[in-house]
Amino acid sequence: KAGVTQTPRYLIKTRGQQVTLSCSPISGHRSVSWYQQTPGQGLQFLFEYFSETQRNKGNFPGRFSGRQFSNSRSEMNVSTLELGDSALYLCASSKQDEAEAFFGQGTRLTVV
Amino acid sequence: KQEVTQIPAALSVPEGENLVLNCSFTDSAIYNLQWFRQDPGKGLTSLLLIQSSQREQTSGRLNASLDKSSGRSTLYIAASQPGDSATYLCAVKAQTGANNLFFGTGTRLTVIP
Repeated sequence: KAGVTQTPRYLIKTRGQQVTLSCSPISGHRSVSWYQQTPGQGLQFLFEYFSETQRNKGNFPGRFSGRQFSNSRSEMNVSTLELGDSALYLCASSKQDEAEAFFGQGTRLTVV
Repeated sequence: KQEVTQIPAALSVPEGENLVLNCSFTDSAIYNLQWFRQDPGKGLTSLLLIQSSQREQTSGRLNASLDKSSGRSTLYIAASQPGDSATYLCAVKAQTGANNLFFGTGTRLTVIP
């Protein structure tokens, strides 16, 4: 059974550019959540999608957005990149609300 | 707002020792609690999930307990091995109808051969 797949694994972007990250959940999982991990702030929740609808959103600026497709795959977009956006971005999927969350290997974004 | 704290921040033990990692949370109205392991630069690996109605869960050398009323969980690792070296994170789900987890800052464990 395939796990949560995130692509790409590594990205280097320049300030002001935009970036799109992709997450394919475990088959049958309808919930996909995104987290940002930095050494200073730890793991912070970005947003969660369930059946193509954003159900919950963390405290991040509007430059961070996402969407979910009918096959449950999700994308996260960051526009007008800032140096502080450099982080490990993690995606998690789960089957239902009370179920275990499974994480992908993450996308390491470096903004220069 | 839910806040999760993990103590200690770092721990070094000799191989073979039993150890306990601690996690506390401020809002006892949780849905469940999950323990994860993270190796450097990698994603999170789920270790144990404890539903709010449960008191403990076991998997191999790992045992996690939950005391919801006091806002505490512990992860017990028996007979530690060098391969157990990693950062251990606990996370609580504090809101029904949504799946966001609130994470602690982790305990970095080093098991010395």
